[in-house]
Amino acid sequence: GNSVTQMEGPVTLSEEAFLTINCTYTATGYPSLFWYVQYPGEGLQLLLKATKADDKGSNKGFEATYRKETTSFHLEKGSVQVSDSAVYFCARGASGGSNYKLTFGKGTLLTVNP
Amino acid sequence: DVKVTQSSRYLVKRTGEKVFLECVQDMDHENMFWYRQDPGLGLRLIYFSYDVKMKEKGDIPEGYSVSREKKERFSLILESASTNQTSMYLCASRAGGPDTQYFGPGTRLTVL
Repeated sequence: GNSVTQMEGPVTLSEEAFLTINCTYTATGYPSLFWYVQYPGEGLQLLLKATKADDKGSNKGFEATYRKETTSFHLEKGSVQVSDSAVYFCARGASGGSNYKLTFGKGTLLTVNP
Repeated sequence: DVKVTQSSRYLVKRTGEKVFLECVQDMDHENMFWYRQDPGLGLRLIYFSYDVKMKEKGDIPEGYSVSREKKERFSLILESASTNQTSMYLCASRAGGPDTQYFGPGTRLTVL
């Protein structure tokens, strides 16, 4: 079945450090790929998405590129801020048809220290 | 902006009680979802609804049921709450386009 594997945390960085959170997915079809972020005490928010191979999603300085050859969608940010401290979830959508479900990774806790 | 609201942020219930968690979305979305979130397990889909009165089991439906009588409202029901149902419950609503879901703030349920 569909699955998503993301880097286990927690990840602790200093402000202005470079961030990478790895994410790989099972290669069934051509799913849409997502990164969601959950700030403390809140629900999940869509951070960025990509719908086809080689697409790059970007938002708030975060980027992720849909790599079909490596079945990956790694999240990157060049210079993190304390306000980026949150849990990040990678997710894949359906590969077609009328399946509405998202499959999530287990989440990666990021803590950014001043 | 899409708004998904959940009836309670925190809820404490006793074992054996019947529990209702309510979710309302204001964007006329057809699809709605209930997840539970547990440390180390991420999000797991309990049930989803693709239209009024239509529902489908997710990955962990045991011990839960749902109701969707109106398009904007999706309720999760714990018929007889148990301690292993202590969790964070997240509701989501699906917009048009490729699978984007919008989440409510969550309900943290504790069953004593």
